[in-house]
Amino acid sequence: GAGVSQSPRYKVAKRGQDVALRCDPISGHVSLFWYQQALGQGPEFLTYFQNEAQLDKSGLPSDRFFAERPEGSVSTLKIQRTQQEDSAVYLCASSLGGTAAGELFFGEGSRLTVL
Amino acid sequence: QKEVEQNSGPLSVPEGAIASLNCTYSDRGSQSFFWYRQYSGKSPELIMSIYSNGDKEDGRFTAQLNKASQYVSLLIRDSQPSDSATYLCAVPRGSTLGRLYFGRGTQLTVWP
Repeated sequence: GAGVSQSPRYKVAKRGQDVALRCDPISGHVSLFWYQQALGQGPEFLTYFQNEAQLDKSGLPSDRFFAERPEGSVSTLKIQRTQQEDSAVYLCASSLGGTAAGELFFGEGSRLTVL
Repeated sequence: QKEVEQNSGPLSVPEGAIASLNCTYSDRGSQSFFWYRQYSGKSPELIMSIYSNGDKEDGRFTAQLNKASQYVSLLIRDSQPSDSATYLCAVPRGSTLGRLYFGRGTQLTVWP
């Protein structure tokens, strides 16, 4: 596709449920990032992939958060046993990498609400 | 001190005026700087990147970088109501360029 595609756009989960958020990056973009954005705040880095390799997961807030990109294209962010503090917009971004790596193209986000 | 600091605003300017958005950063070793625009309910969109001291112009937008003062700004000339959005300053964390620290953003309103 022409842009980064994320699904679902909206997800409501009961506390304790597992959720999976999907990201389909721009074709040819080797770098993929997940960010979390709380209301009124800037995005916060979660994790980074270069192709299928997860090179940085230092931003994941707990071991309940897990991300994968098994074939170097589509990525999934999974949150186990969701808590209310997990409510946020989860943004996926991709970039060409190299010197343009900081020029991120964001998807529309997945808004997670945990009740 | 936070890694990236912005005045949260809101900043309100009349149509046709110059809007000036400011950002300071704490890592003196930072080499690249980005401005993203985020409309309400939408995702961030890159509007400017700047990598060296001085000014970089792109249409009505000018980014200004002063590494000695650890300061980067964004000027929007001839502001339009369609420029009303939150503007996010971002700086890479460490050596991974796409791993960005974002400021909280400055909310800009351009009134007709």
